[in-house]
Amino acid sequence: DAGITQSPRHKVTETGTPVTLRCHQTENHRYMYWYRQDPGHGLRLIHYSYGVKDTDKGEVSDGYSVSRSKTEDFLLTLESATSSQTSVYFCAIGKRGLTDTQYFGPGTRLTVL
Amino acid sequence: QQQVKQSPQSLIVQKGGISIINCAYENTAFDYFPWYQQFPGKGPALLIAIRPDVSEKKEGRFTISFNKSAKQFSLHIMDSQPGDSATYFCAASNEGGTSYGKLTFGQGTILTVHP
Repeated sequence: DAGITQSPRHKVTETGTPVTLRCHQTENHRYMYWYRQDPGHGLRLIHYSYGVKDTDKGEVSDGYSVSRSKTEDFLLTLESATSSQTSVYFCAIGKRGLTDTQYFGPGTRLTVL
Repeated sequence: QQQVKQSPQSLIVQKGGISIINCAYENTAFDYFPWYQQFPGKGPALLIAIRPDVSEKKEGRFTISFNKSAKQFSLHIMDSQPGDSATYFCAASNEGGTSYGKLTFGQGTILTVHP
């Protein structure tokens, strides 16, 4: 998975609790992304980062926040988890240049009860 | 707003057959079109990609056909094998703009190849 790890890999939590997912890369890529994958929707971009401390919203950012204090780490926080945030979350990294190829991590399966 | 529409949602083919997955896009600024393959429990992985300056790109058994005027592109898998059984996603991005490499994905196609 191109030097990308995600933690935890599985999590079950209750509605209203805060949750933080971590993405760690060893590739020194500038760009990092968080997606959620749901049946019938493909992958939808939540937030992305184009450098340390530089982040912006994606297509489905409501209820999520991110932080990137180091090149290698990109954190996704669900401030107050809801059942609609039950999903599989993927982190991706990329370096722009000749292509916009992104490399994906193994994913985190989150269940909000 | 779904800017990339993918069909079919699922596809069953026999071993040795041809699998065809189609995508249509709306944003004419898109200029990079990758396909990703995802096996159960894994993250998506780049399979093949094309830019609109060519109408076709082939890598082994996988071919992308691109129709710029119709704003459509498709993935053809020749001689489909059971090992090709996976979920396939098309995607698009605007390399030349300030999109920061953001990809817009289609909804995905679950391909099953029977032995």
